[in-house]
Amino acid sequence: EVQLVESGGGLVQPGGSLRLSCVASAFSFSPYSMTWVRQAPGKGLEWVSSITNDSSSMAYADSVKGRFTISRDNAKNSLFLQMDSLKEEDTAVYYCTTCSAGRCHTGWFDPWGQGTLVTVSS
Amino acid sequence: DIQMTQSPSSLSASVGDRVTITCRASRTINTFLNWYQQRPNKAPKLLIFGATSLQSGVPSRFSGSGSGTEFTLTITSLQPDDVASYYCQQSRSSPWTFGQGTKVEVK
Repeated sequence: EVQLVESGGGLVQPGGSLRLSCVASAFSFSPYSMTWVRQAPGKGLEWVSSITNDSSSMAYADSVKGRFTISRDNAKNSLFLQMDSLKEEDTAVYYCTTCSAGRCHTGWFDPWGQGTLVTVSS
Repeated sequence: DIQMTQSPSSLSASVGDRVTITCRASRTINTFLNWYQQRPNKAPKLLIFGATSLQSGVPSRFSGSGSGTEFTLTITSLQPDDVASYYCQQSRSSPWTFGQGTKVEVK
């Protein structure tokens, strides 16, 4: 069964940093663009960042640009999100997902991990 | 950015009812429109991609239609298992944007 498993969430103070990880299993990770999507408590889904299969291109939501960095290690089937200068409004469950059909543009997100909770609070 | 607007924000219907959720894009997105189901405290799950294609394993009571700026998700016979929030998402241009969600409850 295809699985994406996130880790690295937790409680951090405003201005702090966290690094999220997502490990893929039971599917060929390297051909696919990957994405992080977040969901604040009681709110809807918000796209955060995407990276192409070969790390040649990254894209970020305006709300995180300059503070978050997406990266991947295809040899380890792993996706990362380095989150710096965290704000209270970054509090959310962060989901890792695959851009099916290999690309996000004109594609869709499937499958999804179970999510990891990031809480930014003093 | 392309804005996605869903209606209604919530609905309550009886088992067996036909349920329709609408999603409107602020400009044309052809058929680059996807639908997701999110059950309470679970991760989102892909239901429909490319506006009309049913994801493998999804019950046939779910269907999608539309193109351009107006899209519809239909559940032909609502089941208790369908209690969830439903989100549309466009993949026409970055940033990839979602609708605000529609919460479906069973009476």
